[in-house]
Amino acid sequence: DTAVSQTPKYLVTQMGNDKSIKCEQNLGHDTMYWYKQDSKKFLKIMFSYNNKELIINETVPNRFSPKSPDKAHLNLHINSLELGDSAVYFCASSSAKLAKNIQYFGAGTRLSVL
Amino acid sequence: ILNVEQSPQSLHVQEGDSTNFTCSFPSSNFYALHWYRWETAKSPEALFVMTLNGDEKKKGRISATLNTKEGYSYLYIKGSQPEDSATYLCAFTRLGGSARQLTFGSGTQLTVLP
Repeated sequence: DTAVSQTPKYLVTQMGNDKSIKCEQNLGHDTMYWYKQDSKKFLKIMFSYNNKELIINETVPNRFSPKSPDKAHLNLHINSLELGDSAVYFCASSSAKLAKNIQYFGAGTRLSVL
Repeated sequence: ILNVEQSPQSLHVQEGDSTNFTCSFPSSNFYALHWYRWETAKSPEALFVMTLNGDEKKKGRISATLNTKEGYSYLYIKGSQPEDSATYLCAFTRLGGSARQLTFGSGTQLTVLP
């Protein structure tokens, strides 16, 4: 079983559309994250979320919003998609009980905005 | 602004060679330093997490050292094999702010030639 799974793996959509990327973890972790891989291949944190706090990277446009129906899921919703949103998005999870916040990553979702 | 820098950006070695990469990070407010291994088309996977100055970690032929006073970590691979080909990422976590959030370097892409 995949520990952190993201769907879809590929997403092609038109500018202006609203889309969601789903993430699920079956590790029993208490914290989940969304990262964006930028054009220079850096993984940049977008959000971290557990049931107590949501931490938002201040550079993330408010068109991006995380939605967590339960501890095992953190979905990424994007409104009014723009060309510059094209990137690979990675979900990750961790547990405060594990050594120093080791994070487990999903395989990524490649978003292409046309 | 946190800068995590890795060098070299890419590296080609012959099978059997030993190699090492560098990760530099801010030495103030240090909490933890992570190394991840990222194979093409897969998820980043944690190799090591280090927290104390002078820490050394080892996993098979791969080892890492940490110098928090000067802000650098080395990753060593002894007797490189083709299956070691991957991008090696380091990530830094700082005190203050969220200790859960990782700031990644852009990685060192290693290719081991048979």
